[in-house]
Amino acid sequence: EAGVTQFPSHSVIEKGQTVTLRCDPISGHDNLYWYRRVMGKEIKFLLHFVKESKQDESGMPNNRFLAERTGGTYSTLKVQPAELEDSGVYFCASSQDSGPLHFGNGTRLTVT
Amino acid sequence: SQQGEEDPQALSIQEGENATMNCSYKTSINNLQWYRQNSGRGLVHLILIRSNEREKHSGRLRVTLDTSKKSSSLLITASRAADTASYFCATRSNDYKLSFGAGTTVTVRA
Repeated sequence: EAGVTQFPSHSVIEKGQTVTLRCDPISGHDNLYWYRRVMGKEIKFLLHFVKESKQDESGMPNNRFLAERTGGTYSTLKVQPAELEDSGVYFCASSQDSGPLHFGNGTRLTVT
Repeated sequence: SQQGEEDPQALSIQEGENATMNCSYKTSINNLQWYRQNSGRGLVHLILIRSNEREKHSGRLRVTLDTSKKSSSLLITASRAADTASYFCATRSNDYKLSFGAGTTVTVRA
């Protein structure tokens, strides 16, 4: 079975620009999560989808971040406009029910 | 806020030695999970221990859980160079959210 895939693997943008990250979960996984790790610190929860619905978006830092999961399949995370502190590695994960999470390789975002 | 907190932050050992790392957390949990991350890759699930379990084994991994102290430990026995990675504990409470710590970076020297 194909794993969780994320695109792009790296993105370098200037402050004020927009970036959209994409995540394709494992087929059949209703739960999709976004996490972020900044500068070697803890991996912080951003939000959780169950199918196309946002179950928990308590970790979204501010309204510059917008996540969608139309049709309950792939998800996008848009940052607009990007700020320097948004730099980090963005991980997507999916799971079946409350089982272990399956992670993608992450998108490394650098805002200059 | 951070739920799981790993200790130590970094660990360097000789191949063949055992590696032990600890995790402390703050709130009640349903289960605790350990993940490994190799450089540039995603996190890989290693082992899950439920709140009513005290110890679990999987190959060279041994995990303990002490809910009274809100702590867990991960032991890797007979370490290999391929065990070099960052290790994270993650706690799951009553919802589906997993909360991670900052991880322990383990370096196994040949």
